[in-house]
Amino acid sequence: GQQLNQSPQSMFIQEGEDVSMNCTSSSIFNTWLWYKQEPGEGPVLLIALYKAGELTSNGRLTAQFGITRKDSFLNISASIPSDVGIYFCAGLEYGNKLVFGAGTILRVKS
Amino acid sequence: NAGVTQTPKFQVLKTGQSMTLQCAQDMNHEYMSWYRQDPGMGLRLIHYSVGAGITDQGEVPNGYNVSRSTTEDFPLRLLSAAPSQTSVYFCASSYSGAGGEKLFFGSGTQLSVL
Repeated sequence: GQQLNQSPQSMFIQEGEDVSMNCTSSSIFNTWLWYKQEPGEGPVLLIALYKAGELTSNGRLTAQFGITRKDSFLNISASIPSDVGIYFCAGLEYGNKLVFGAGTILRVKS
Repeated sequence: NAGVTQTPKFQVLKTGQSMTLQCAQDMNHEYMSWYRQDPGMGLRLIHYSVGAGITDQGEVPNGYNVSRSTTEDFPLRLLSAAPSQTSVYFCASSYSGAGGEKLFFGSGTQLSVL
């Protein structure tokens, strides 16, 4: 199956800092999604992207669908302690099947 | 609405034992799926179903069986548990049509196989 490379693997940042993470694929996706998982819970959808070049925001989160359709980026501005968790990118395959990246673990120092 | 409900939350098995992980959703979603989550590997698709009576294999189906007799339920069966099946299992559901990429996940089942 397709592989998604997500980086960085983990981040330990100071509260108030901005965060950037990205995801790349060897193949094209027509839909990119970003999920967040908190401890003991399942992933929750943050942002969905449907067009190459699309830039979408959800509060302090901004995600972009790369122009080549092989990558996507997620930025979090002015991080706060409740931003901690694992962030996953996912690409949509045929038949509503999602392919997930390995995740970025975010820790915030207050 | 309860959303996607998984039981049990935790389970310990001995090698060779069988068990069923339960998943139920009350959103009338046609699409349901099972993922396993392992450190550093993200979520990998085990099996999925696009409607009652229809199931198909995902990326890592070996050692697991599923069935979909109703729209609401999608149980995952481990036939003979192995230590390699130690993982966190997530059930998810969505619409099959437009918007179906927006999966709703359950809270997971943490399984240890000794």
